[in-house]
Amino acid sequence: EAQVTQNPRYLITVTGKKLTVTCSQNMNHEYMSWYRQDPGLGLRQIYYSMNVEVTDKGDVPEGYKVSRKEKRNFPLILESPSPNQTSLYFCASSQWGEQYFGPGTRLTVT
Amino acid sequence: ILNVEQSPQSLHVQEGDSTNFTCSFPSSNFYALHWYRWETAKSPEALFVMTLNGDEKKKGRISATLNTKEGYSYLYIKGSQPEDSATYLCAYESGNRDDKIIFGKGTRLHILP
Repeated sequence: EAQVTQNPRYLITVTGKKLTVTCSQNMNHEYMSWYRQDPGLGLRQIYYSMNVEVTDKGDVPEGYKVSRKEKRNFPLILESPSPNQTSLYFCASSQWGEQYFGPGTRLTVT
Repeated sequence: ILNVEQSPQSLHVQEGDSTNFTCSFPSSNFYALHWYRWETAKSPEALFVMTLNGDEKKKGRISATLNTKEGYSYLYIKGSQPEDSATYLCAYESGNRDDKIIFGKGTRLHILP
């Protein structure tokens, strides 16, 4: 089954404790992207990648890192999480336009 | 700053009625316009990707039109059903060789039985 998976689905952590949210797709898509969704602000793009070893900043990249060492995986790294990064995070992948979204990761930073 | 606006923010429609809503986006450096349907507690699902001015796409009772010169797209739902209740998002993809995607804040559609 074609899908985008994210782990973990829910995470509560403390300020400053490094964390990684994994994203994996099995569709051999070249384009992958991370978004955060906040009430009243809609979906905002954090980082995206057009192919292996190619990553670019979206609209809200501060406080995040990504890597794309292989086509299927696009982890989101928060080196020193802060409370303003509490949000719902979505990973997505696409090949020719239509994006397929993962199930979301709800992150709370206290 | 690229801005994608959707209106209305929220809409209540009687079951069986038809409805439409708008997405406006920058007309410069246009590459594609995406529509997504997002049900509560689920992930957004792609409805349409539109690239050509004048394009019209249809999926069942839902259709969309695109005007890239003036920077707007309409989404139409014919004969609304309860299962159409969702948030409808549009997203603008720029052709500036950067492939950024900017989402609107969505139109929340409620179908009244």
